[in-house]
Amino acid sequence: AQSVTQLDSQVPVFEEAPVELRCNYSSSVSVYLFWYVQYPNQGLQLLLKYLSGSTLVKGINGFEAEFNKSQTSFHLRKPSVHISDTAEYFCAVSDMIAGYGNKLVFGAGTILRVKS
Amino acid sequence: DVKVTQSSRYLVKRTGEKVFLECVQDMDHENMFWYRQDPGLGLRLIYFSYDVKMKEKGDIPEGYSVSREKKERFSLILESASTNQTSMYLCASSLVGTIETQYFGPGTRLLVL
Repeated sequence: AQSVTQLDSQVPVFEEAPVELRCNYSSSVSVYLFWYVQYPNQGLQLLLKYLSGSTLVKGINGFEAEFNKSQTSFHLRKPSVHISDTAEYFCAVSDMIAGYGNKLVFGAGTILRVKS
Repeated sequence: DVKVTQSSRYLVKRTGEKVFLECVQDMDHENMFWYRQDPGLGLRLIYFSYDVKMKEKGDIPEGYSVSREKKERFSLILESASTNQTSMYLCASSLVGTIETQYFGPGTRLLVL
């Protein structure tokens, strides 16, 4: 079964600074990876996903992630954060359910706190 | 705009009560999911359904059951609520396929006293 490790439970950062949220996944022949964001008192929404092709994936709100197969990592980055980026971020890997599609296996989450 | 709605945002129940959490999606998705979210544990899959009247256990099904009588509605049932079921419950839906995005509802925060 697939698994995901998010290496930081909380990341404090000042506004306009760059940020990296780290994610490692268990190795697999093929892997589909996702980053979701949860703003306070809301459900999750998709930031970006890696399916195949280019290892650099661009998402919404200026976020991007790089798929690194040799390191089994999928770190999320943003060059300059805003206060509004304060949220919890979840890395997830797709685990196939034969015939039914996929289920998502989530990491524990990283809380990004942007300070002014 | 895609939409997944959950019947309650906050719910307070007593130990031993039967609890129903309802989820409705308007996207004609085949797959629907129930997760629970706990601090430090992320989201864990309780049950999912890939078609009407079909259901499969997820990673933590104990103490829960589900019902899917219509394509757009997926219910999570706590037969006899216990304090260790105090949690945030999130419903999601998706099309069939390994790479399809899951769309989430806003969540129900359940407190069992």
